[in-house]
Amino acid sequence: ILNVEQSPQSLHVQEGDSTNFTCSFPSSNFYALHWYRWETAKSPEALFVMTLNGDEKKKGRISATLNTKEGYSYLYIKGSQPEDSATYLCAFPWGKLQFGAGTQVVVTP
Amino acid sequence: DAGVTQSPTHLIKTRGQQVTLRCSPKSGHDTVSWYQQALGQGPQFIFQYYEEEERQRGNFPDRFSGHQFPNYSSELNVNALLLGDSALYLCASSLRGLASKETQYFGPGTRLLVL
Repeated sequence: ILNVEQSPQSLHVQEGDSTNFTCSFPSSNFYALHWYRWETAKSPEALFVMTLNGDEKKKGRISATLNTKEGYSYLYIKGSQPEDSATYLCAFPWGKLQFGAGTQVVVTP
Repeated sequence: DAGVTQSPTHLIKTRGQQVTLRCSPKSGHDTVSWYQQALGQGPQFIFQYYEEEERQRGNFPDRFSGHQFPNYSSELNVNALLLGDSALYLCASSLRGLASKETQYFGPGTRLLVL
């Protein structure tokens, strides 16, 4: 069984604050790591596909880093806004796409 | 450009019944994956269809079956429904089968409630 762990399970952030959270995955046989954002009542939306150790990707105020040797990825939200409220999922391809349980982010004005 | 669509959006069934869920992939995509998402969990992989064949399967019983049509759309069938099958069922489409680096695009899901 492959374990993809995300922590924390949930975060409450004040508008304007920055935050980050973690996805841990097996460091052996790494192919890629996917990040998704899932807003309530919408479809999960792809954020990043990360493939190389040391990768850093950015989309607006959201960025992600990757450490394949130690098996973790961080997702950062800079200057959080209420529209950033969502569940953020990471997924590790292991034949099939293996998802973590997600980090639920709630940004309050 | 139409994204991934799923039907129906909601469904209520009783134990023992059978259900069929439908998915149309994003335009240009040839691969469809199905996931089950229960409360508090991430999506769990059910199976993936590419070139009208089941290519990969997750840890789901044979009561879960599927099909892919020549136009790449797909169906998920669940027989002998159990209360535990109540969940959100997500369909995702992508290109080129099992390629690990390909982004999957998700539909809005079908919410199934089994009573």
